[in-house]
Amino acid sequence: DAGITQSPRHKVTETGTPVTLRCHQTENHRYMYWYRQDPGHGLRLIHYSYGVKDTDKGEVSDGYSVSRSKTEDFLLTLESATSSQTSVYFCAISESLGQGQGELFFGEGSRLTVL
Amino acid sequence: GENVEQHPSTLSVQEGDSAVIKCTYSDSASNYFPWYKQELGKRPQLIIDIRSNVGEKKDQRIAVTLNKTAKHFSLHITETQPEDSAVYFCAAYDTGGFKTIFGAGTRLFVKA
Repeated sequence: DAGITQSPRHKVTETGTPVTLRCHQTENHRYMYWYRQDPGHGLRLIHYSYGVKDTDKGEVSDGYSVSRSKTEDFLLTLESATSSQTSVYFCAISESLGQGQGELFFGEGSRLTVL
Repeated sequence: GENVEQHPSTLSVQEGDSAVIKCTYSDSASNYFPWYKQELGKRPQLIIDIRSNVGEKKDQRIAVTLNKTAKHFSLHITETQPEDSAVYFCAAYDTGGFKTIFGAGTRLFVKA
C-alpha cells in the first residue's frame, strides 16, 4: 500500500464545533485530494491540491477549507461542523503521468459523526 | 465541469455469469477513465483504467471499453466469483483541473 495515513480514523463531534482531518503521505506525490463518501452519492470531491499552497475547490466544497503547507500534509477543516457533514472522508494522492492523471491511492478513511 | 453517471446502482448475478457496468461522462476533453473496486470497510483500489487513445483494454477476467463519440465507457467482468462482490466506481479525469470525478457506484453481488 502507498504510504498514506489519515487521522483521526474515527471522530464524533457536536454541531458547531471545528474539526480538522489530517492526511499525511510519504510518497512525495504532487497531487492530494479530499473526497467524502455517502450512500447513493459515491465519492464526491471536496478540495484538492496540485502543489504546496496550491489548492482548488471540488464538487462539494461549501463548509470546508484546506491547507497544504508541506508536500506531505493536506489538512481538511470543517470550521463549524453540521450534521450534513457526517460522512466517511477519504484522502487520496496521485502523481501525474503526463498524459493525464495517474492512479489515485486512497487512505483508509476517516469516519466523522456530527451529532 | 465533468459529470459522471453510472448504472446500475445495484447488480446481482450468479457465480460464473458476466457483469456489465456502464458509465457516461459529459466533458469531451476528459482523457483518462479508471475503475475502482471497494470491498466492504476498505479503501477504493484501482482495478483497471483506459486512456482516450484506446478503445478497449483487458486484464484477465475484467475488460473496459470506451466509446469517445458517445462519451460512455463500460466495465465487463466475466466468470464472476463471490470475491468480485464489492462496490465498483467508474471515474473520469477532468482535464480542466487535475481532478478525478466519480460515478455514484454500483454494488455488485455475486451469488454462489
